[in-house]
Amino acid sequence: DGGITQSPKYLFRKEGQNVTLSCEQNLNHDAMYWYRQDPGQGLRLIYYSQIVNDFQKGDIAEGYSVSREKKESFPLTVTSAQKNPTAFYLCASSIRKGQGGYNEQFFGPGTRLTVL
Amino acid sequence: AQSVTQLGSHVSVSEGALVLLRCNYSSSVPPYLFWYVQYPNQGLQLLLKYTTGATLVKGINGFEAEFKKSETSFHLTKPSAHMSDAAEYFCAVSDSRGGTSYGKLTFGQGTILTVHP
Repeated sequence: DGGITQSPKYLFRKEGQNVTLSCEQNLNHDAMYWYRQDPGQGLRLIYYSQIVNDFQKGDIAEGYSVSREKKESFPLTVTSAQKNPTAFYLCASSIRKGQGGYNEQFFGPGTRLTVL
Repeated sequence: AQSVTQLGSHVSVSEGALVLLRCNYSSSVPPYLFWYVQYPNQGLQLLLKYTTGATLVKGINGFEAEFKKSETSFHLTKPSAHMSDAAEYFCAVSDSRGGTSYGKLTFGQGTILTVHP
């Protein structure tokens, strides 16, 4: 089945440690996105990528890093510089339509990160 | 810049009653609009979308929404609520028109729908 996978589902880390969240898609989508979700704040965009080896900062990129070495993979690293990393993290992807537009985003199941 | 406002962070209805979740947006370009649903500890699932054409769009699970440009609104409705509709709902606007867009979505704060028996 085609879709987006995120692993692990739950992740616990000690304060000061970097941690990498996995996101893989087999939909052959061009663009991939990372969001952070906190209660009552909706979803906030961390990073996004349209093509391999290229990505852009979203609204809350500080303390995060990404890479896009393969079309199907877009891992997110939460660094020790992120002040409040405990949150639910969602990965999404979308396909480029003709004339530059994009269709809707498809979401993975999410990773809940808890920093102790 | 785009923004989305969902009126009411919590909405409670009785089973069988009308569901109305409100969404207003601002956008500098003709928008693409979306409604997503999220069940606890899960990702978001697309309910419906408006891109072009008919302003009344039908989605999954009996939901529909109407794009009203003059009111900059995209309210979500369902004639009869079911217990399984209890979830959090997000309205989103995209900058997906034009060759330079990256398909970025701006989300509202979300509305938690509770359905009482």
